[in-house]
Amino acid sequence: ETGVTQTPRHLVMGMTNKKSLKCEQHLGHNAMYWYKQSAKKPLELMFVYNFKEQTENNSVPSRFSPECPNSSHLFLHLHTLQPEDSALYLCASSQDRIGVSSYEQYFGPGTRLTVT
Amino acid sequence: AQTVTQSQPEMSVQEAETVTLSCTYDTSESNYYLFWYKQPPSRQMILVIRQEAYKQQNATENRFSVNFQKAAKSFSLKISDSQLGDTAMYFCAFMKPQFPYGQNFVFGPGTRLSVLP
Repeated sequence: ETGVTQTPRHLVMGMTNKKSLKCEQHLGHNAMYWYKQSAKKPLELMFVYNFKEQTENNSVPSRFSPECPNSSHLFLHLHTLQPEDSALYLCASSQDRIGVSSYEQYFGPGTRLTVT
Repeated sequence: AQTVTQSQPEMSVQEAETVTLSCTYDTSESNYYLFWYKQPPSRQMILVIRQEAYKQQNATENRFSVNFQKAAKSFSLKISDSQLGDTAMYFCAFMKPQFPYGQNFVFGPGTRLSVLP
């Protein structure tokens, strides 16, 4: 596997379900991100982890719970979601340290989430 | 706070022709980075091209080039000899190079480009 992978690619869940999204990066990066992509809206940064430590939480509702056990893996635990949470959830990673010459983020294919 | 605007929600171009996607941004910073990302249908987003604000020379990457106008805060993407595989959503992004860098990415709403045969 190369790059950034995400599973599952598609997920349909009821509002009372609990599910988890998984992301894995094979690029040796130290920072990982969760984004929400909704139709006709800019990408929304949800969570940032740098060296496994959460450094940003952009006022995301508590029904979304991230977990970063190490620099290569990132999870997003979902519970009691609402229909408006239906979106494409993208994971990304980057080499985020002082002195790095390249800042770009590398994205996974996303998980298409539908909440019924 | 920085904002990124892409005024063209959708565009189309005939195969082999040239198309320009517009992007404007608002910032008070003098040093920053700009990016164009491409998201093909049902495939992952990839970096197309990037530009450092301190460089006056416009970045180019094969058929992709940018027109960076710093004073006007404009960063358009030109695709020459359009190919069917260029059909995708294109996102313009701004980054302030302040550590931690990843938190300082701001994306525009995207332009959906269709290349017609």
